[in-house]
Amino acid sequence: KQEVTQIPAALSVPEGENLVLNCSFTDSAIYNLQWFRQDPGKGLTSLLLIQSSQREQTSGRLNASLDKSSGRSTLYIAASQPGDSATYLCAVSSLSSSGSARQLTFGSGTQLTVLP
Amino acid sequence: ETGVTQTPRHLVMGMTNKKSLKCEQHLGHNAMYWYKQSAKKPLELMFVYNFKEQTENNSVPSRFSPECPNSSHLFLHLHTLQPEDSALYLCASSQEASNTEAFFGQGTRLTVV
Repeated sequence: KQEVTQIPAALSVPEGENLVLNCSFTDSAIYNLQWFRQDPGKGLTSLLLIQSSQREQTSGRLNASLDKSSGRSTLYIAASQPGDSATYLCAVSSLSSSGSARQLTFGSGTQLTVLP
Repeated sequence: ETGVTQTPRHLVMGMTNKKSLKCEQHLGHNAMYWYKQSAKKPLELMFVYNFKEQTENNSVPSRFSPECPNSSHLFLHLHTLQPEDSALYLCASSQEASNTEAFFGQGTRLTVV
């Protein structure tokens, strides 16, 4: 059964700092890995998708890496801003336990606070 | 706006009530999902529908009854819920087998009293 762990659970940084969020997963048989952002009480906004054959993806100040063999991904946020404050979720796409569908398995998230 | 719309955004219901959650996607996707997000727990997959057919039921109690009349609409019918069912219910869609992103709705915040 796929399990996803995110470290740290919470992170508070001053504005302007570069930071790294970590994600690890137990089963390397994945289709892709997706990073999401969730604001309080809201749904999920997709940030980056990395295919299992890729090593990294970039979007603006965000860079995500994937090391499938070791079961790890990192999300790098450059020059953090107060508007980046949110919970960041990592999810891996893999075959469900029944083998009948793809599913996303989520970590518990990292709650990021960027202080002005 | 993600292209996935959920209604209502908030719902308070008694344990004897029957209510339904609605999800609609305008992305032309063929797969739709229900997830449950409880406080301090990771998102849990509940159901998967692919081309209107249910392909996954993640051991969800029968008081939750999904319905997928077409590839664009997904419902979650609720009856005789328990207070521990209070959570944020999220709908998502994707293009099955194409390895592309999943998109989520804003969720329905359900409170069972």
